[in-house]
Amino acid sequence: NAGVTQTPKFRILKIGQSMTLQCTQDMNHNYMYWYRQDPGMGLKLIYYSVGAGITDKGEVPNGYNVSRSTTEDFPLRLELAAPSQTSVYFCASSYSTGGPTYEQYFGPGTRLTVT
Amino acid sequence: KNQVEQSPQSLIILEGKNCTLQCNYTVSPFSNLRWYKQDTGRGPVSLTIMTFSENTKSNGRYTATLDADTKQSSLHITASQLSDSASYICVVILFGNEKLTFGTGTRLTIIP
Repeated sequence: NAGVTQTPKFRILKIGQSMTLQCTQDMNHNYMYWYRQDPGMGLKLIYYSVGAGITDKGEVPNGYNVSRSTTEDFPLRLELAAPSQTSVYFCASSYSTGGPTYEQYFGPGTRLTVT
Repeated sequence: KNQVEQSPQSLIILEGKNCTLQCNYTVSPFSNLRWYKQDTGRGPVSLTIMTFSENTKSNGRYTATLDADTKQSSLHITASQLSDSASYICVVILFGNEKLTFGTGTRLTIIP
């Protein structure tokens, strides 16, 4: 099992450019999540999905879009990149919600810089 | 406001020594609390998960404690190793909507 994989590892964008961060999991998890981690701050939830075709906003969804066409994939789209989106982005997955039995497994992260 | 605060912000100790990291939270109602280890440049990895009724949970040299009355948790690391150098993140899960609230982490450095 590869677990949760993310591509790319690093990316530099110019203001106004667009890009898609890819996330794939091979654990057949229903739930998938996107977080951002800013320096010195706790992880913040951007979007999450409880299954294919179902997505919902987290704490900080502005400037992002997601889709979930398959169980395995959960891409995150930035349409008009802004410097405030400079961050490290983590994708995670779990079998179910945050109940005590179900761990979230995190990918290695994508470090994004917008200049 | 639901918050998770961790202390110290950073800690440097000698290899082989023990240390304790603190987590205070105001999240309510409480479902469960987790400690994660995050190596530099990697995603967080779960160390322990504790429910309301659990006071202590161990994972090798890592022991987490929970006092749900005072809303405090600690992570004790015994006989530290160089590989323990990482950030340790306390995460509290809200009962009902299962929302995760992350602390800002403690950056631990083990020196030989």
